[in-house]
Amino acid sequence: DIVMTQTPLSLSVTPGQPASISCKSSQSLLHSDGKTYLYWYLQKPGQSPQLLIYEVSSRFSGVPDRFSGSGSGTDFTLKISRVEAEDVGVYYCMQGIHLPITFGPGTKVDIK
Amino acid sequence: EVQLLESGGGLVQPGGSLRLSCAASGLTFSSYAMSWVRQAPGKGLEWVSAISGSGGSTYYADSVKGRFTISRDNFKNTLYLQMNSLRAEDTAVYYCAKYSGTTVTTRWFDPWGQGTLVTVSS
Repeated sequence: DIVMTQTPLSLSVTPGQPASISCKSSQSLLHSDGKTYLYWYLQKPGQSPQLLIYEVSSRFSGVPDRFSGSGSGTDFTLKISRVEAEDVGVYYCMQGIHLPITFGPGTKVDIK
Repeated sequence: EVQLLESGGGLVQPGGSLRLSCAASGLTFSSYAMSWVRQAPGKGLEWVSAISGSGGSTYYADSVKGRFTISRDNFKNTLYLQMNSLRAEDTAVYYCAKYSGTTVTTRWFDPWGQGTLVTVSS
């Protein structure tokens, strides 16, 4: 199974300041089709997870442009350029290249 | 708008059975693979099972293989998870989620249902 790790596991951010979360996979997520199947989800308090980023760096419909994803192979990063109060929750990376689908342990983001 | 509504959760004794349902609306249900993902209380996300759009292919996490069965009724637009031989460690909120396409890899989950809580305890 592909193991996903995230750092940090918790993050306290001042509104308006940037935030960055790292995700690493135990195997490359680069598919033979040339795409890399790494996703980012946000689970807001009391809600179901919602997709933020697909295929490393593509923002999903309706996701604010303060969210950006980058990386390749086994190392990936989610950045929030200016954190807002509504961004609190747990962020998960997920690999979709091989079954079983696996998630990172999550990074809890709160506001200072 | 695609909506997924889970039901069937509840309290069950160890060794017991439960069947979860996920009613889907706002989509051509048979065109999409579907999945179950669970979240133990205060824990992270764990993929449980997936099924192709036709229902002809099914996939399971090792932790549930042989105990859980995923199925779908494309006429009723409903996804199911039959859970047998339940254990305390199966206690979790179970979410159904729609894949973005017909395959169960190289696709993302969106949307997710609101989840249904399964508690396995004596």
